[in-house]
Amino acid sequence: DVKVTQSSRYLVKRTGEKVFLECVQDMDHENMFWYRQDPGLGLRLIYFSYDVKMKEKGDIPEGYSVSREKKERFSLILESASTNQTSMYLCASSSYRASGYTFGSGTRLTVV
Amino acid sequence: GNSVTQMEGPVTLSEEAFLTINCTYTATGYPSLFWYVQYPGEGLQLLLKATKADDKGSNKGFEATYRKETTSFHLEKGSVQVSDSAVYFCALSLAGGGYQKVTFGTGTKLQVIP
Repeated sequence: DVKVTQSSRYLVKRTGEKVFLECVQDMDHENMFWYRQDPGLGLRLIYFSYDVKMKEKGDIPEGYSVSREKKERFSLILESASTNQTSMYLCASSSYRASGYTFGSGTRLTVV
Repeated sequence: GNSVTQMEGPVTLSEEAFLTINCTYTATGYPSLFWYVQYPGEGLQLLLKATKADDKGSNKGFEATYRKETTSFHLEKGSVQVSDSAVYFCALSLAGGGYQKVTFGTGTKLQVIP
């Protein structure tokens, strides 16, 4: 069964901490994505990557960065966590040959 | 730009009722269309898709038909179950620049009561 795995289901971090959210896919997909999901706002794209070492800003990149050193792994970094980054974070991957995403189970991050 | 509009929820239905969740889209080009489902505490799962006009996607009793003339992709199910309670997202996908970029609607919460 193909999978997108997010390293943590729940995280609690303090304001100002550097936070790493990890995502790994086993489908040899070229494209990977990070979204955040908030009530009433739906899914908002933070960053995406269409190839190893490539990254593109999404709709809300401020306060975030990403890293893709290997094809299967896409990391989201909160350089200095703030309370307004408390959210559900969803990772997804896709092949450029086929439409549709495969999502991970999500990481619920709380910044206190 | 591209956008997806879906009916606001929550939608509350009794078990075995007929379900329709409306979805319309605006896109440049010829998108693929999707419905995703999110169960409580989980990520999104692909429910069904259609890649060209007049295609019908179906899965688990759910159906949606790609209507180019009305730019719609409404989700239907003839008889809902309590286990169908979830949030449903309509989405479109367009290829370009070596990747597929997906635009999501805001989601419609469905609650099915026994």
